[in-house]
Amino acid sequence: AQSVTQLGSHVSVSEGALVLLRCNYSSSVPPYLFWYVQYPNQGLQLLLKYTSAATLVKGINGFEAEFKKSETSFHLTKPSAHMSDAAEYFCAVSEGTGGFKTIFGAGTRLFVKA
Amino acid sequence: DTAVSQTPKYLVTQMGNDKSIKCEQNLGHDTMYWYKQDSKKFLKIMFSYNNKELIINETVPNRFSPKSPDKAHLNLHINSLELGDSAVYFCASSQAMLGGAGNGYTFGSGTRLTVV
Repeated sequence: AQSVTQLGSHVSVSEGALVLLRCNYSSSVPPYLFWYVQYPNQGLQLLLKYTSAATLVKGINGFEAEFKKSETSFHLTKPSAHMSDAAEYFCAVSEGTGGFKTIFGAGTRLFVKA
Repeated sequence: DTAVSQTPKYLVTQMGNDKSIKCEQNLGHDTMYWYKQDSKKFLKIMFSYNNKELIINETVPNRFSPKSPDKAHLNLHINSLELGDSAVYFCASSQAMLGGAGNGYTFGSGTRLTVV
C-alpha cells in the first residue's frame, strides 16, 4: 500500500530565503510522485511531477523537487521565497498500475515573512 | 474557460436534508474523482469513475452516491446530511489511461458544504 508523510505541518521562512518542504513516501511499486499547491479558498494546482524520467524535476513558480529512491524522499525546494508562495503544499503518490488512486499527504502550510 | 467546474461553490443546509453537487470537466479526461477535505486540510478520496464506470469506492457512508452520466460529468448526491459531512468537496479529473498515473489531476475549486 502506498502512503505519504510530510514532515512539518507548518514551515516559516523569510522572504528571499530557501524553501524546503519535506516528503517521504512508501510504495510497493515504482511510484509517481507529485507536489500540489493550494491557495486559500481554491482548489489544488499541480506544481510538478516525477514519472521516472529525470530525478530532478522542475515545476512552475521556480519550484523543483528531487526524487531519491534510497531515501524514499521527494522534497520540494525553491531557492528564494516570495510572499506569493504562502500557501498549503501537498505531496502525493500514485502507483503506476491503473493509477486511479492518488494518496495525499497531510499538507504543509508555508508562511513567508517580510 | 474553466477546466473543472463545480457547482455550487457554497452550500449551507440543515441536518437531514438531501443535496447534490455537480462537476463538469472540458479537458477530455477519462477519469473523474471526488475528494473530501476536512477542516485540517486532510484530503481523502471518496469515489472515482473511469469512462462512466465506478472504479474506486472508498469507505464512505451509503448516504453518499456518485453518478456519472457521461465521462465529462460526475455528480455527488448526499442523503440525510449530518453535521460531520461539513467539509470541502473537490472534484478532479485526469487522463488515467494512455499515460496513466503520471498525468496528475486537475482540480475544481471546491464546494464548501456546511451542515447546521
